[in-house]
Amino acid sequence: GENVEQHPSTLSVQEGDSAVIKCTYSDSASNYFPWYKQELGKRPQLIIDIRSNVGEKKDQRIAVTLNKTAKHFSLHITETQPEDSAVYFCAASILGGGGNKLTFGTGTQLKVEL
Amino acid sequence: ETGVTQTPRHLVMGMTNKKSLKCEQHLGHNAMYWYKQSAKKPLELMFVYNFKEQTENNSVPSRFSPECPNSSHLFLHLHTLQPEDSALYLCASSQENIQYFGAGTRLSVL
Repeated sequence: GENVEQHPSTLSVQEGDSAVIKCTYSDSASNYFPWYKQELGKRPQLIIDIRSNVGEKKDQRIAVTLNKTAKHFSLHITETQPEDSAVYFCAASILGGGGNKLTFGTGTQLKVEL
Repeated sequence: ETGVTQTPRHLVMGMTNKKSLKCEQHLGHNAMYWYKQSAKKPLELMFVYNFKEQTENNSVPSRFSPECPNSSHLFLHLHTLQPEDSALYLCASSQENIQYFGAGTRLSVL
């Protein structure tokens, strides 16, 4: 089955700096890669996703890059703000019938310091 | 609110109890999921239902029994749990790729 590794497990940045979180996956058939943000005591929420036919996607301060050959993808947050502090999870799956069976990484605790 | 509601929010049970977790989605989605979230572990997919049919059982012990009577409701029946089953249990639903999560049930097994 799929295996997703995520690094780092914790990340501290100063407000205004950039943050980068990296994930690798094992199954070359995986074609969908979402990123979820989970604030303390709250539910995970999708912040951005990318499909394997695209190398990069951007949404305001958030961007995701995908390298299919190396089987890794990364989340980039620019101009970080205190409200970006949360746990971020990457995931991978093969889109198709029968539901979207996501395999998640172990999460990155991001702390944005003033 | 994401349109996925879980009850109860908190549950404490003994190892010999039987209890059920409930999930309801108002989004018209066809797929529903149960996940287990433990400290310092990734979200673990437990079960997937698509159009009421189970399409994934991720080697979950039989003391966890899912039920999906229709595309809007999902239950997780709990019986003879162990202390290591204490965790946050999250429900999610999707139409295609994007999964929307409920707030979860925080379960403590004594």
